[in-house]
Amino acid sequence: GQQLNQSPQSMFIQEGEDVSMNCTSSSIFNTWLWYKQDPGEGPVLLIALYKAGELTSNGRLTAQFGITRKDSFLNISASIPSDVGIYFCAAPDKYSTLTFGKGTMLLVSP
Amino acid sequence: GAVVSQHPSRVICKSGTSVKIECRSLDFQATTMFWYRQFPKKSLMLMATSNEGSKATYEQGVEKDKFLINHASLTLSTLTVTSAHPEDSSFYICSARERTSGRALRYNEQFFGPGTRLTVL
Repeated sequence: GQQLNQSPQSMFIQEGEDVSMNCTSSSIFNTWLWYKQDPGEGPVLLIALYKAGELTSNGRLTAQFGITRKDSFLNISASIPSDVGIYFCAAPDKYSTLTFGKGTMLLVSP
Repeated sequence: GAVVSQHPSRVICKSGTSVKIECRSLDFQATTMFWYRQFPKKSLMLMATSNEGSKATYEQGVEKDKFLINHASLTLSTLTVTSAHPEDSSFYICSARERTSGRALRYNEQFFGPGTRLTVL
């Protein structure tokens, strides 16, 4: 099946720093989704991308749909302690079933 | 909008009993709901896709007689773990996709419930 290679696996940063994570695949997708999961909770949709080259922001979060349609990245600017969690990229296959990346665990120290 | 609830949030049961988990879309209609299982520090693993009014489609390796799924209405799907064993202990999460045209941009967006932590003793 299709795989999404998400990196980095984890990040430990200080409050105020910017963060960048990305997902790549050998397959082409028409949609990229970015989710955040807090411990013991379900994932929450942060940003949805529908068009190659598209750059979309949601507060301090910015995500881009790669021009080749095989990758996407998520940036978080000026991180704060509540940004802690696991971030997942996801993309739908031709049956609209989501494939998820393995996640990036973000830890922010005050 | 796009709120999905799950009940219960936590359940502890004895080995051999059955457990039912409910997933509801609160403010939208969902023709399709999905059931995932998540192990600690791992990504989400799709178990089955549930379409309203029809039989669920199970992923390879998931026993349909073990994990019974019913999607009786556009806002409710249930997952029943039958004859639960300790190895079934896990975090179960449902998601719902809003009823819309397959060509709509938002068609592929899934909204997740808060999850159910199942512990089988």
